[in-house]
Amino acid sequence: DTGVSQDPRHKITKRGQNVTFRCDPISEHNRLYWYRQTLGQGPEFLTYFQNEAQLEKSRLLSDRFSAERPKGSFSTLEIQRTEQGDSAMYLCASSSGQGVNEQYFGPGTRLTVT
Amino acid sequence: KQEVTQIPAALSVPEGENLVLNCSFTDSAIYNLQWFRQDPGKGLTSLLLIQSSQREQTSGRLNASLDKSSGRSTLYIAASQPGDSATYLCAVEDDYKLSFGAGTTVTVRA
Repeated sequence: DTGVSQDPRHKITKRGQNVTFRCDPISEHNRLYWYRQTLGQGPEFLTYFQNEAQLEKSRLLSDRFSAERPKGSFSTLEIQRTEQGDSAMYLCASSSGQGVNEQYFGPGTRLTVT
Repeated sequence: KQEVTQIPAALSVPEGENLVLNCSFTDSAIYNLQWFRQDPGKGLTSLLLIQSSQREQTSGRLNASLDKSSGRSTLYIAASQPGDSATYLCAVEDDYKLSFGAGTTVTVRA
């Protein structure tokens, strides 16, 4: 069990560019979550997948954000036309979806929009 | 909307002292509560999970209590060490998603 992995770990982009992040959950975990964390704050929920179905999106997830989880395995989070306010740590977590719903987090992707 | 508050925001103690970190939440209809550790610029490491039907959980030097009716949890770290320096986050699960507090940043002085 290699844990949750995220790629890239750091991304610097210019305002207006599109960026895409990838998350690989713990194998056989059917639930996958995206959170966003800004400096000095706790993570905030963005969206949640059960297998390939996206079951909820937070109001924080504007139309510029889209997430997918094809085939219920890895997930991607894309931000179009990035803004400076998008600068944050993007965290992915997974859980088994059975019994106690303990969530395991990846190392995060740090996004800086200049 | 669930609101989670952690007090104090920061704490500095000499090595060997016991740590007491507090977490409060507004809606007691939770499934479970998790305590996490976060090192600067890193992801979250799960420390303890307390189910809503439980009152406490222990792991090594860590003990967490839960009083769901009053909306409170406390994390105790015994005999603190410099390696315990980190930010500790409390999160409550209400139907699959976690709501986090802003964390308590702990510094243990050697």
